[in-house]
Amino acid sequence: NAGVTQTPKFRILKIGQSMTLQCTQDMNHNYMYWYRQDPGMGLKLIYYSVGAGITDKGEVPNGYNVSRSTTEDFPLRLELAAPSQTSVYFCASRTGTGVHYNSPLHFGNGTRLTVT
Amino acid sequence: DAKTTQPPSMDCAEGRAANLPCNHSTISGNEYVYWYRQIHSQGPQYIIHGLKNNETNEMASLIITEDRKSSTLILPHATLRDTAVYYCIVFRGGSNYKLTFGKGTLLTVNP
Repeated sequence: NAGVTQTPKFRILKIGQSMTLQCTQDMNHNYMYWYRQDPGMGLKLIYYSVGAGITDKGEVPNGYNVSRSTTEDFPLRLELAAPSQTSVYFCASRTGTGVHYNSPLHFGNGTRLTVT
Repeated sequence: DAKTTQPPSMDCAEGRAANLPCNHSTISGNEYVYWYRQIHSQGPQYIIHGLKNNETNEMASLIITEDRKSSTLILPHATLRDTAVYYCIVFRGGSNYKLTFGKGTLLTVNP
């Protein structure tokens, strides 16, 4: 099983450029999440989605946008990259429905983004 | 979700049991305790979770106090590969979707 797949693994952006971080999962999970992790820090929730067509803000949503047109995909968009967005970005998913309402998160291996 | 408190770092000798504490004194009755770990800069890995009974799987054991205000993750025979940041989280699914992480405990297993 592929699980949660993130692309690209690494990216360097110039200030003001835009890009989309891709995340796809093959486990038919309803809930998907985007986190960022700055060096030496814990994970901060950016956006999450409870199903196709439904998204909501997390702790640090400014500067980011998301969409969820399918169950499998949850891309994260950076419109005007800033140095403060230099971080490692993790996508995660979980089942979360019915008897599995307390199911654990499954994480991808991250995208390391540098904005200079 | 209830907040958790963990020590920032701990050391353990290889082959010995590693006992990682977590305080969650404001946990509500329907919130679960979850443990994850993050090795180097990889994606966090799920370890174990429980509600009020002690739990054990192939990776670890989870001991939750009777009042549920604290818990301990036990790695019975720590190896060098267990060196990682360990996160304790309290969370209830269902209508609550946000799942947030604290700073965790850096466990260093020494030879």
